[in-house]
Parts: sequence; C-alpha cells; structure tokens
Amino acid sequence: QSVLTQPPSASGTPGQRVTISCSGSSSNIGNNYVYWYQQLPGTAPKFLIYKTNQRPSGVPDRFSGSKSGTSASLAISDLRSEDEADYYCAVWDDSLSGPIFGGGTKLTV
Amino acid sequence: EVQLVESGGGLVQPGGSLRLSCTGTGFSFSHHYMNWVRQAPGKGLEWVGRTRDKVNSYNAEYAASVRGRFTISRDESERSLYLEMNSLKSEDTAVYYCAIEGDNSGPDFESWGQGTLVTVSS
Repeated sequence: QSVLTQPPSASGTPGQRVTISCSGSSSNIGNNYVYWYQQLPGTAPKFLIYKTNQRPSGVPDRFSGSKSGTSASLAISDLRSEDEADYYCAVWDDSLSGPIFGGGTKLTV
Repeated sequence: EVQLVESGGGLVQPGGSLRLSCTGTGFSFSHHYMNWVRQAPGKGLEWVGRTRDKVNSYNAEYAASVRGRFTISRDESERSLYLEMNSLKSEDTAVYYCAIEGDNSGPDFESWGQGTLVTVSS
C-alpha cells in the first residue's frame, strides 16, 4: 500500500484528454514538488514532469502537471497510441525523509 | 548525453550477498546525487537509497526497508555507483535501476539506466 494513491488504471481513445490523479498528504504533496514518470513496457522510467508542472526538454506540451492541496494530477491531451504506458507520481516525504512513488497507473489507449 | 549502465545482477540464495554497479558518463559525476530505485516483477517503483554529491561528502541515505542490509557508495575515479546488498530476502527480487537527480532537490530522476535484474531464490 503506497503512501501516494493513484488509480490502478485509466483509459481513453485517440485524441481524447485524460487525467491521472495522485493523492497524498501534507507531509509530501502538500509541502513539496511533484514529479511524474512514464514507463513504456519493458523499459526504464522516463522523466516526464518535474517541479509539479515543468516539462523536461523533449517532452511534448500534450503532457501537463498540476497540484492542489494534497493532490496532484497529470493531464495528457490529444491522446496517442504511443502514450500507452504506466505512469508514476513521485514526491519527497518529509516524515519519511525520502522520496516516495505512487503505485502507478496503467494507461490504455 | 547522459548514460548510466548497471551491472552485477543475477541469481542469489536467500541470506546471500550481491554487489551492483552503475557506471555513468556524460555528466559531472561529483555534482549529482545518485540513486538506486527498484521494481519488483509486475509491481511499482520503490526508492532504495542514494548518495549525495561531493560537497555533501557523498553521504548515503536509505529506505527503511533496506537500511542496515544495503550499503551505497561511489567511486569518483571509476565514475561508478555501487549497491552492496547483504542478507538478501525473496522480497528484494527486482530490477534495480540507478538514476541521477537533476538539481538534487527531490525525486527529480532525470536520467535512468536500463536496469539489472536481481533474483533472490533457493
């Protein structure tokens, strides 16, 4: 059971917009930046969103992040088949003094 | 271009030991925090631990699940990060990734290796 709660699955059709939620607490999301990672099948995770809403170079602007209180969200617009992957949120937890990951959300397109 | 290459994975019996290595190129080795993150088969990501940068004496920090059994170190001359794993348990079976932090401010794992599989089984 992860300290950060993500829905186990999400789905959408090409061209749609989907959001993936990540719920935490005041010791993690409420007080720190949120990060998101994309893991395609059989590959290492990829840096997708940093400092809650920033995109590394090379990440399409179809991907966006946001936060409100102790919850965060990843939004993917103009959904494409290549977006089918597992998505993980991550954040520093002040109580645990270390980073934690959400349980992951499998996105089906 | 940043490249991280892990090695040393394999099959080990419960209670045994194993040492993983991660060699990095394309970045300033002494300036980045370096982490180990693992993923059990079919499961999510779990942070294992990290070493800070040279300014912080490469001090290591660990997740509670491995503290006292695992040791993380790094060798600047070899540009390598190590994970010494002792008293291994079946629940340590996972792909182990090394990852560097971009600005050493949290789980900003901007680059990852391809991973190395550790299987703990008799």
